[in-house]
Amino acid sequence: DIQMTQSPASLSASLGETVTIECRASEDIYSNLAWYQQKPGNSPQLLIYDANSLADGVPSRFSGSGSGTQYSLKINSLQSEDVASYFCQQYNNYTFGAGTKLELK
Amino acid sequence: QVQLQQSGAELVKPGSSVKISCKASGYTFTSYDMHWIKQQPGNGLEWIGWIYPGNGNTKYNQKFNGKATLTADKSSSTAYMQLSSLTSEDSAVYFCARDGGYSDFFAYWGQGTLVTVSS
Repeated sequence: DIQMTQSPASLSASLGETVTIECRASEDIYSNLAWYQQKPGNSPQLLIYDANSLADGVPSRFSGSGSGTQYSLKINSLQSEDVASYFCQQYNNYTFGAGTKLELK
Repeated sequence: QVQLQQSGAELVKPGSSVKISCKASGYTFTSYDMHWIKQQPGNGLEWIGWIYPGNGNTKYNQKFNGKATLTADKSSSTAYMQLSSLTSEDSAVYFCARDGGYSDFFAYWGQGTLVTVSS
C-alpha cells in the first residue's frame, strides 16, 4: 500500500498568517491527491482534488500544489473558521495522511 | 443537491453484527461509487471499501475482508455496510462518501454513524 506521511501533526498560527501543510507519498501518485478539512463533530469536506484543483465553494485562500511524491496545502490569510484538522489522501488505493490539527495562536 | 443521509448511532454487543445505511439523493445513485471510511476517536481516516451500485461490484481494503460487507439497494438509493464479529476495535465513526465521478476523490460525505461496541 502507498503510505502518506503528513506534517506537521499540529500547527499553531495567527490570524492573517500563511500556513503550509505537507504530504509525502511513498511512491509516485501522479497527482491523485486530495485535501480535506474536518471540524470537530463534522464529516470531512473536500478542499482540493487532483493536487491543485479547488473544490466548489472553497475559498480561494486555499491552494494545493505538488507532483510525484511531494504535495502541499497552503492557506493564505488564515481566518478563524479555518481552525480544523486537515487530511491528505491519495486515491490510487485510498490511503490518508495522519492529519494536521490547526489551531489559532 | 447531493445528500448522503446515514442511519443513527448504534450500541452493540461484542461478537454481534451491525448494518448501517447511507441514503443518497440529488444524483443518479447507480452512476457513482460509494465508499466507506472508518474513523476512530482521535485517529485518522481509514478506507474500508467501495461499491458500485450500478452492478454491485465491490472492492475492499484487505484489512476489512471478512469484517465489512457492502451492499446497495437501487430501488431506494441506499448503500449499506454490515460489520460482523464486532470487537472494541470496531468502535468508531463510519462515513459513507461518494466519489467525484471521473476521479476517485471523495466529493460528498455522509454525516457519519457512531458504532459503539460494548457489553
